[in-house]
Amino acid sequence: AQKITQTQPGMFVQEKEAVTLDCTYDTSDPSYGLFWYKQPSSGEMIFLIYQGSYDQQNATEGRYSLNFQKARKSANLVISASQLGDSAMYFCAMRSRGGNQFYFGTGTSLTVIP
Amino acid sequence: DADVTQTPRNRITKTGKRIMLECSQTKGHDRMYWYRQDPGLGLRLIYYSFDVKDINKGEISDGYSVSRQAQAKFSLSLESAIPNQTALYFCATSGLPTAYNEQFFGPGTRLTVL
Repeated sequence: AQKITQTQPGMFVQEKEAVTLDCTYDTSDPSYGLFWYKQPSSGEMIFLIYQGSYDQQNATEGRYSLNFQKARKSANLVISASQLGDSAMYFCAMRSRGGNQFYFGTGTSLTVIP
Repeated sequence: DADVTQTPRNRITKTGKRIMLECSQTKGHDRMYWYRQDPGLGLRLIYYSFDVKDINKGEISDGYSVSRQAQAKFSLSLESAIPNQTALYFCATSGLPTAYNEQFFGPGTRLTVL
């Protein structure tokens, strides 16, 4: 069975500081993709970053990076230089190659403090 | 124009009423999904479809039905709405089931059942 776990219901970070949002996953498939989405208070789901299970390097997209530790089955999102606009819910998700479904975690609510 | 659109964006209805949520996409994707989001529970899959002749139940399909009228259109119906179906509903699409194809989400429909 596939499963995504986000153990931090809520996180706070000071503006301009870095923050790590945790995500662990469980799968027996050798090939899979890991995704992070941002959901601001307006409700839309915004794709942030992707990491493939065979990628040798950690993914980066601007201020977002993914700390991928395959042996530990973790895919933590790192946001550098936090901004007030980063306050939102963040969801980790996974899909196996050839898989029909995406599996989502329960999300982490991030609040950036001025 | 948005790639994935949902109508209505907000809806308030009464217990026992039939309601339909509609989703259209211009991304040319075959795969379409319906999710509901409840606080603390993340996104849960209701139904998904790979083409007009292929409909699959997700994790929480009871009380819901769907119709895939065309490649670009996927509707979700609540035959007899009940208050615990109050939630934020998302339609999503994705490309081929390679691990790296993310899902693209519509803006969501906030449904309240009184």
